[in-house]
Amino acid sequence: DTEVTQTPKHLVMGMTNKKSLKCEQHMGHRAMYWYKQKAKKPPELMFVYSYEKLSINESVPSRFSPECPNSSLLNLHLHALQPEDSALYLCASSQVVGRSTDTQYFGPGTRLTVL
Amino acid sequence: SQQGEEDPQALSIQEGENATMNCSYKTSINNLQWYRQNSGRGLVHLILIRSNEREKHSGRLRVTLDTSKKSSSLLITASRAADTASYFCATDFQGAQKLVFGQGTRLTINP
Repeated sequence: DTEVTQTPKHLVMGMTNKKSLKCEQHMGHRAMYWYKQKAKKPPELMFVYSYEKLSINESVPSRFSPECPNSSLLNLHLHALQPEDSALYLCASSQVVGRSTDTQYFGPGTRLTVL
Repeated sequence: SQQGEEDPQALSIQEGENATMNCSYKTSINNLQWYRQNSGRGLVHLILIRSNEREKHSGRLRVTLDTSKKSSSLLITASRAADTASYFCATDFQGAQKLVFGQGTRLTINP
């Protein structure tokens, strides 16, 4: 199974809402990533988890809160977002962090709209 | 910014023609990867070329790497409508802890 799943596919939320994005993989990968992608732009890295521990935080605002409850799951908790946070949020996984020959496997993304 | 640049930003060709897109990057790399993204979907890995390789083939894909010029090219031969997508190069950064993606080329194959 080489699939990364993400739920929900679409999410519309108000600026005062709290919501969560979920990502799951069953490939035994120990590295998981969150990316943000705006239209016609490349993915931008937000967070990297290595063996369930936060390895990289790309200076992401605290209204985004990642969580890795176990080796298969990655969550992104959202609170008090701004309209400019509307984007496609992509989850990815790879075998380990720091091995440049590793392929990253991406989920289909969650399309987030903040009203 | 560590992000590379891709050229052209957009490319439209007829089905059956070859498509070439280029990627330039700024820092020394261990490897360079190419990914494809269909509209609004996740990215799919296409091919990886190591820094000590100059050319690599996979099916209808041919990738070249020139580390002296810090550039790579992706050639898709005999294009098909299903090749319509955005293509991104990605280089490793910070000891390969993360990938940095180029700006991407939007490829349209016209039937």
